[in-house]
Amino acid sequence: KQEVTQIPAALSVPEGENLVLNCSFTDSAIYNLQWFRQDPGKGLTSLLLIQSSQREQTSGRLNASLDKSSGRSTLYIAASQPGDSATYLCGGGAGGTSYGKLTFGQGTILTVHP
Amino acid sequence: SQTIHQWPATLVQPVGSPLSLECTVEGTSNPNLYWYRQAAGRGLQLLFYSVGIGQISSEVPQNLSASRPQDRQFILSSKKLLLSDSGFYLCAWSVQAGGTEAFFGQGTRLTVV
Repeated sequence: KQEVTQIPAALSVPEGENLVLNCSFTDSAIYNLQWFRQDPGKGLTSLLLIQSSQREQTSGRLNASLDKSSGRSTLYIAASQPGDSATYLCGGGAGGTSYGKLTFGQGTILTVHP
Repeated sequence: SQTIHQWPATLVQPVGSPLSLECTVEGTSNPNLYWYRQAAGRGLQLLFYSVGIGQISSEVPQNLSASRPQDRQFILSSKKLLLSDSGFYLCAWSVQAGGTEAFFGQGTRLTVV
């Protein structure tokens, strides 16, 4: 059974800092890993998807990497802004007909202060 | 473009009352559909998923049930709510063939009192 852990649970940084959020998983047979952002009381917004054949994905100031052998994924946020404040969740997916069946970590609560 | 709708956004229900939450997807056909629950301190947990009309798989034993009466409609129900059913319910969809990205709705906050 896949288990996903996110470290740190919370992070507070000043605006402009580069930061790294960590996600670890127990089953290296993970098919894909997806990073999400969740604002308070809202649904999940997909940020980046890394499929099993990929090592990393980039979107603007965000870069996510996946190392299946070590069971780790990282989300790198460059030049953080107050608008980046949210909870960040990673979800590990299984393959086959299970697209979208994700096992989630508990999330990292990010606060970027001006 | 594809969109996913959930309603209601918030709901307060007494213990023992029935429940019906609805989710619809637009702009795609034959999606995989999912219900997740986010409870305080427990993270997101997959409750049900469906690969087609009338096909429902349950991931965890519980007081809830799901149905898929139409291709792009997914309903979460309960005959009698328990206090422990309180939480934030999220519907999601993904493409069945070839795609692996999951997309989530805005969620329903359910409080059972």
